[in-house]
Amino acid sequence: EAGVTQFPSHSVIEKGQTVTLRCDPISGHDNLYWYRRVMGKEIKFLLHFVKESKQDESGMPNNRFLAERTGGTYSTLKVQPAELEDSGVYFCASSRQLQETQYFGPGTRLLVL
Amino acid sequence: AQTVTQSQPEMSVQEAETVTLSCTYDTSENNYYLFWYKQPPSRQMILVIRQEAYKQQNATENRFSVNFQKAAKSFSLKISDSQLGDTAMYFCAFFNTNAGKSTFGDGTTLTVKP
Repeated sequence: EAGVTQFPSHSVIEKGQTVTLRCDPISGHDNLYWYRRVMGKEIKFLLHFVKESKQDESGMPNNRFLAERTGGTYSTLKVQPAELEDSGVYFCASSRQLQETQYFGPGTRLLVL
Repeated sequence: AQTVTQSQPEMSVQEAETVTLSCTYDTSENNYYLFWYKQPPSRQMILVIRQEAYKQQNATENRFSVNFQKAAKSFSLKISDSQLGDTAMYFCAFFNTNAGKSTFGDGTTLTVKP
């Protein structure tokens, strides 16, 4: 069984530009989560999809962040316009059911200059 | 809201020895899971071990075991017979089964020395 995959592995952009991160969950996992680790701090929850619906987006920092999961398969997280403080590692995780273990992807390392 | 505290930013251990990583948490929930994840330099976050709060028996996975003290809200990870491949950052995580999201500690960087 393939694990959670994320693309790109690294992204370096300038302040004000747009970046789109992609996550492909494990096949059959309805639950998809986005987390991020900024400036070496703790990993923080961003949002949770159940299939294509946003179940909880309480962790989204502001309206520069837009997450989608059209069709309930892969998800994208767009940052527009990017700011310096957005630099960090963005993790995606998925689980089959809500109360099951979340499996994490390798993360996308974003650097905003 | 839940909080997770890992009080040891960095630790080191000699190969083949045993090391314990500490984790404490705070919650008003009664049903939850606790996890230890490891993130080696290759970046992939890997599940090490999982503990359901309703289970009294401590979880074990080969060389990895936990000491789960529910009343004290403590969840430490013991690594026996440490190997060089255990070098990684270790994250303790609290999983709220009602909300379906995890809260992480700051991580502990473990270095296994030859």
